[in-house]
Order: sequence, then structure tokens, then C-alpha cells
Amino acid sequence: EAGVVQSPRYKIIEKKQPVAFWCNPISGHNTLYWYLQNLGQGPELLIRYENEEAVDDSQLPKDRFSAERLKGVDSTLKIQPAELGDSAVYLCASSLGGGAAQETQYFGPGTRLLVL
Amino acid sequence: KQEVTQIPAALSVPEGENLVLNCSFTDSAIYNLQWFRQDPGKGLTSLLLIQSSQREQTSGRLNASLDKSSGRSTLYIAASQPGDSATYLCAVVGFQKLVFGTGTRLLVSP
Repeated sequence: EAGVVQSPRYKIIEKKQPVAFWCNPISGHNTLYWYLQNLGQGPELLIRYENEEAVDDSQLPKDRFSAERLKGVDSTLKIQPAELGDSAVYLCASSLGGGAAQETQYFGPGTRLLVL
Repeated sequence: KQEVTQIPAALSVPEGENLVLNCSFTDSAIYNLQWFRQDPGKGLTSLLLIQSSQREQTSGRLNASLDKSSGRSTLYIAASQPGDSATYLCAVVGFQKLVFGTGTRLLVSP
């Protein structure tokens, strides 16, 4: 069974440029998460989707970050414009969904972003 | 606001040693606690999940304990191997939200 797929794996851009990350969750997983992981830190939740609905985006910096999951499967996270401080790893995770707090989240390999 | 702390930040041991990683959290109102492993350039792999009603979970050479009242969890690794070298993260689960610690970077030398 394929795991969570993310692309690209690495991205280098200049500040003020836009960038987008793509995530394909495990088949059948209704819940999708985007996390931000700074160097030496644990991941922090940016947004959580239940199917196509963003049910928790309280930590998403909405002035420059946006996300979508139009058909309830794949998701895209966008930054426009990127700032130097956005350099980090962006992780996508998925879980079966349905509201079970005990369910395991499965993580993708992440996209490592470097903003110059 | 839940805060999760992991000690030590880094640990280096020779192969074969038993070791303990520590995790503490400030809010005991959790659903469960998970331990993850993260290898460089890779995502997180779930190792153990302890429900809030449980006190420990075991998987192979790994044993995780949970003391909700004191806000602490430990991950015990028996007979460490070089392949155990990675960053270990604990995460507490509130209402459908994982809050991660900063991790312990483990190096097991042959």
C-alpha cells in the first residue's frame, strides 16, 4: 500500500516568490493534515481537513498561506509571497477520519523549503 | 496551552546499551500519547500509541510508559542498535490535535 506522497521533496526559491506543495494521502483516508517543522523542533499543525472541509486552520498564517483540498483527496499548500522565515520542512499526514481521537496519523516524507 | 518537553535533546550511546527517553507535558487532559521516530529526510513513523487509560505499551525492544497525573512518559529502548539512530518525538493528543515535543536525537555507535 502506498504511503502519503508529497512533492516536491526539495524546493529552493528567492524571497517574495510563490511556492506550492502537493500532498496525496493514503487511499481512503478522509482526514488530511499539513504540519510545519522548523529545524530542531517538532511539527506544528497548520491545517486539518475532514474530506474537503478545513475544520482547523487556526494556526495557518492566512495573510500569506493558503490551502485547498477541492475533491477531498489531494491537497495543495501555497505560500505567497515566501519569506526567509518560511524555510522549514512541510509535512503532510493523513488518517482514516471519522472523529476518532485515537487514530494514527501517517506522515509523508515532507517538502524541505529553502527561501533565499 | 499544551507544552511538550523532551529530555535529553541529544543522546549518544554505544551499541547494546539500554536507554530511556523522557517526555513531559503540561496539560494532563489528553486522549493518548504517541512516540514517533524520524529519520533524516524522511517523515515520521509511529512507534507506539498509549491510550490515556493505559500505563504502558510494548513493541519489540521498545516500551513506553504513561503517567498522566504527573504529565510524564518514557520510552525505553532495550539493547540499542546502530539502526535505532534517529530523532524520537513524543506527541500528546488533545481533541484531534497532536502537540509534539522538540525531540531527542539519538546516536547509537557500533
